[in-house]
Amino acid sequence: EDKVVQSPLSLVVHEGDTVTLNCSYEVTNFRSLLWYKQEKKAPTFLFMLTSSGIEKKSGRLSSILDKKELFSILNITATQTGDSAVYLCAVLPEGSNYQLIWGAGTKLIIKP
Amino acid sequence: DSGVTQTPKHLITATGQRVTLRCSPRSGDLSVYWYQQSLDQGLQFLIQYYNGEERAKGNILERFSAQQFPDLHSELNLSSLELGDSALYFCASSVFGTDSGNTIYFGEGSWLTVV
Repeated sequence: EDKVVQSPLSLVVHEGDTVTLNCSYEVTNFRSLLWYKQEKKAPTFLFMLTSSGIEKKSGRLSSILDKKELFSILNITATQTGDSAVYLCAVLPEGSNYQLIWGAGTKLIIKP
Repeated sequence: DSGVTQTPKHLITATGQRVTLRCSPRSGDLSVYWYQQSLDQGLQFLIQYYNGEERAKGNILERFSAQQFPDLHSELNLSSLELGDSALYFCASSVFGTDSGNTIYFGEGSWLTVV
């Protein structure tokens, strides 16, 4: 059965710290992996990763995919209180008619 | 702003009633997805439509139904509502059939409270 597992489930750090969120997956015929940030309401798209070893970067956020070990990490450096959110990882298998398999999310709390 | 529009934003209704949630996808997107998110729960996929036709079904109850209209907007109908149906219902859309279609964009959600 295809599945996506995120860890940790929740994380509390102080402003300025660096955090690493993990997403491991088991899917048949992987196509891509996506990261979303969910604050109060709608998840907002962060990154899409399809190739192993290529880092995607946006400001203080970066993500990389390891297709051999079947995981991805999302790094946030110099965290700010506005980074507090649930971070969701989803995997899209090939031929799935765009049915994403979602992880349960990591709840990140940044304390001032 | 993702470009996906959902209405209403909030609604409160009694058990046994029926409600309709509406969604307008991003311009050019042919696929619409419905998700349910209860308190402290992950996103639960309900159903997907592509260009007016049902494409995939997830954990959608028989009391729920959806459709996508020729103008591509979609409606999710929830009937015989129970307290446990209280949740945030998201609509998302994507372009189907191109590389960019791998990314889905979410609306702000409709908060349903059943009392």
